[in-house]
Amino acid sequence: GAGVSQSPRYKVAKRGQDVALRCDPISGHVSLFWYQQALGQGPEFLTYFQNEAQLDKSGLPSDRFFAERPEGSVSTLKIQRTQQEDSAVYLCASSLARGQDTQYFGPGTRLTVL
Amino acid sequence: AQKITQTQPGMFVQEKEAVTLDCTYDTSDQSYGLFWYKQPSSGEMIFLIYQGSYDEQNATEGRYSLNFQKARKSANLVISASQLGDSAMYFCASDDSYGQNFVFGPGTRLSVLP
Repeated sequence: GAGVSQSPRYKVAKRGQDVALRCDPISGHVSLFWYQQALGQGPEFLTYFQNEAQLDKSGLPSDRFFAERPEGSVSTLKIQRTQQEDSAVYLCASSLARGQDTQYFGPGTRLTVL
Repeated sequence: AQKITQTQPGMFVQEKEAVTLDCTYDTSDQSYGLFWYKQPSSGEMIFLIYQGSYDEQNATEGRYSLNFQKARKSANLVISASQLGDSAMYFCASDDSYGQNFVFGPGTRLSVLP
């Protein structure tokens, strides 16, 4: 069966450019999570969706970061006016339901801001 | 807020031997989940094992077992019969009873020696 997919796998942006990162969760998974992983560190939570509702966006580092999941399946993480400190791997995960349910991760998008 | 501590930045183990990766957690929740993930150099996060806070028995999945000591807030991962392919970063993580507040530790890099 298909797992979580993310695109693009790699993205190079010039400082100031806008980027959009896509996540296709496992079909039927209600919950979707975005994480940011800096080099050599563990993933850090960005935001969480249950179906189309964004229930928690407390981890988004600034108002340049925006995420949506309009139909409760595919999600897009958008970063406006990228800065060098945005360089990281962005991981998407989905889980069947909420509440102590295993999260399955996609391969990540490695963003490099020059 | 939850916090995960992994005190071993790096570990070495001889092939075919067992190894224990330490994880302690700090939470005020009564109900929570504990997870271990493996991240090879390719970058994907691979789910290994899950332990619920109310589970009385330690979780096991093949060569992986979780040594859960609730009173000590400890959730160590034991890998038996290490293989060269086990070389990777290992992350301990927890969530709360709502499947939110998913927090990762800083990780332990395991190197399996031939």
